[in-house]
Amino acid sequence: EAQVTQNPRYLITVTGKKLTVTCSQNMNHEYMSWYRQDPGLGLRQIYYSMNVEVTDKGDVPEGYKVSRKEKRNFPLILESPSPNQTSLYFCASSLGSIGNEQFFGPGTRLTVL
Amino acid sequence: EDQVTQSPEALRLQEGESSSLNCSYTVSGLRGLFWYRQDPGKGPEFLFTLYSAGEEKEKERLKATLTKKESFLHITAPKPEDSATYLCAVQALDNNNDMRFGAGTRLTVKP
Repeated sequence: EAQVTQNPRYLITVTGKKLTVTCSQNMNHEYMSWYRQDPGLGLRQIYYSMNVEVTDKGDVPEGYKVSRKEKRNFPLILESPSPNQTSLYFCASSLGSIGNEQFFGPGTRLTVL
Repeated sequence: EDQVTQSPEALRLQEGESSSLNCSYTVSGLRGLFWYRQDPGKGPEFLFTLYSAGEEKEKERLKATLTKKESFLHITAPKPEDSATYLCAVQALDNNNDMRFGAGTRLTVKP
């Protein structure tokens, strides 16, 4: 089954404790992206990757890091989480960045205390 | 800056009561406008892509239309299972990497 998976689905952590949210897709997609979703603000792009070893900032990259060492995986790293990073996070992938629909993962609900 | 505004924020309908959701956008040049459906606790699910003014696409009870300024998602004779949040997103010609999303319309269909 074609899908995007994220882990963990739920996470409660404390300020400053480094964490990684994993994202994996099995569709051989070149383009992958991370979003955060907050009430009233919609989905906002954090980082994206056009292909292996190619990543770039989206609209709200502060406080986040990503890596793309393999085509299928695109982890999101919070080196020192803060309460304002409490949010619902989605990973997405698509064939390419131009005019293609994105396939979304199930989401990771993160709470930073 | 590219902007996407969806209205209304929330819409409650009776089963069978047709209505429309609006997505207004401001973009220098439109590459594509996307509609997604999002169920509670799940990721958005793709519905339609529209590329040029005048284009229409249909899927079951849903029909999406596009003008140069806005898109409508028409829901004909909705059923309770159509209850979800509907998201609109645009991609600009001059920014291949940015998918700009609206805040969504939360639709509730009562039996």
